[in-house]
Parts: sequence; C-alpha cells; structure tokens
Amino acid sequence: EPEVTQTPSHQVTQMGQEVILRCVPISNHLYFYWYRQILGQKVEFLVSFYNNEISEKSEIFDDQFSVERPDGSNFTLKIRSTKLEDSAMYFCASQVQGAITYEQYFGPGTRLTVT
Amino acid sequence: AQTVTQSQPEMSVQEAETVTLSCTYDTSESDYYLFWYKQPPSRQMILVIRQEAYKQQNATENRFSVNFQKAAKSFSLKISDSQLGDAAMYFCAYRLSTSGTYKYIFGTGTRLKVLA
Repeated sequence: EPEVTQTPSHQVTQMGQEVILRCVPISNHLYFYWYRQILGQKVEFLVSFYNNEISEKSEIFDDQFSVERPDGSNFTLKIRSTKLEDSAMYFCASQVQGAITYEQYFGPGTRLTVT
Repeated sequence: AQTVTQSQPEMSVQEAETVTLSCTYDTSESDYYLFWYKQPPSRQMILVIRQEAYKQQNATENRFSVNFQKAAKSFSLKISDSQLGDAAMYFCAYRLSTSGTYKYIFGTGTRLKVLA
C-alpha cells in the first residue's frame, strides 16, 4: 500500500541553524500539508500546498518557514533560523484531490530537536 | 472559528471491555468530515474511522464505531473488545473546507490505557 515517507526520522540542530525536513507524498496525490505537534500538545496545521503554491498557512507559519516541491516528488519544509520553540514532531500529509471526501494520509513524522 | 474538544485527557479500559472516547466540535458549516486518528508510541498518525456529516448512519470499522450526533455536535468513538494494541493517543479531527484547502482541526487528544 502506498504511504507517505519522511526523512530524517530525527533531526537535532542548534538554535539559529537552518533545517530542511523532507517528505515524499503518495505519488498521485495533489494536495500536501505540514502539521506540527509540540510534545504533549495537539497536532496543529502549519501549511497546505497545491499546484506549486501555498493554499493556506497558519499564524505559526511565519517568515522563518518555507515549503517547496523541488522535483515533483519531494515536498520540503524549511526552517531558516531555528528556535528552541520549534522543537516538535513535524508531520507531512498528502491528499489525492481537493474534494472534501478525500482523507489525508500522514507520514511517520520527523522529530526536530533544537538545542 | 472551528474548534474540537476532547474533555478526557486519559482513559483506562480492561482488556476485552468496551470504552467510549468523547469529542465535541463547533462549526457553522453543514458539510464536513470527522475523523478519529490513533497515535501509538511510534507517533505515526493512523486513521481509525471517519464520518461524513451528511450521513445519518454511524460509521463502523470492525471493533471501532462512532456515535455521531450532528445537532449536538458530538462525535464519540467506541472501541469494543479492547486489545492491548489499542493503547495509544486518540485524536478527534474535524475536516475544514475553506479557501480550497481541507486542513484538519485536531482536538487535544485522549490517552487510552488498556489494562491486562
């Protein structure tokens, strides 16, 4: 069964460094998402992406964050200058089409630790 | 704004027994989906069950079923014949449709412990 994959599974970085989290969505999916889960808290929406542009972003997704689909298969989340509060689990999700009937499939997550 | 509330931070159930996890939500929309996701210690989000708001019939998936009360904006998950593998964090989620995207709004989760 096709699945969403994410790399790395765990990333440790120093405050102020740039990180790139990578996701490979399911191949025929068209809508892509990033969510974040700070330890012990709920999963929060960050950004949605369709047709090579951001469809919607939350207030969390400030200028330090960016997303792109560089090669038609990977979907990346970049944090330019990490802060301690960026430490969280980051989940990528994809969806085959934009209709409300289609569910999102989540990847296994990348645990980001900022020291 | 849409919100999802899970009022039970933690629940326990004996193996083979039945447990119900509660979820309420707030929305002004009439067309939406509701989901229950399971998050085991591995942290991966796994879809358990989903419910279309326009359907009156409650969704079921093997040992998992929901009690969807649209007027009350309630969406509870019943797990029958609980197994040790059901121990996990369970998140209720509402599927928003706005601006052409379909982001999920999650509740705070309920940690389910299954006692042998």
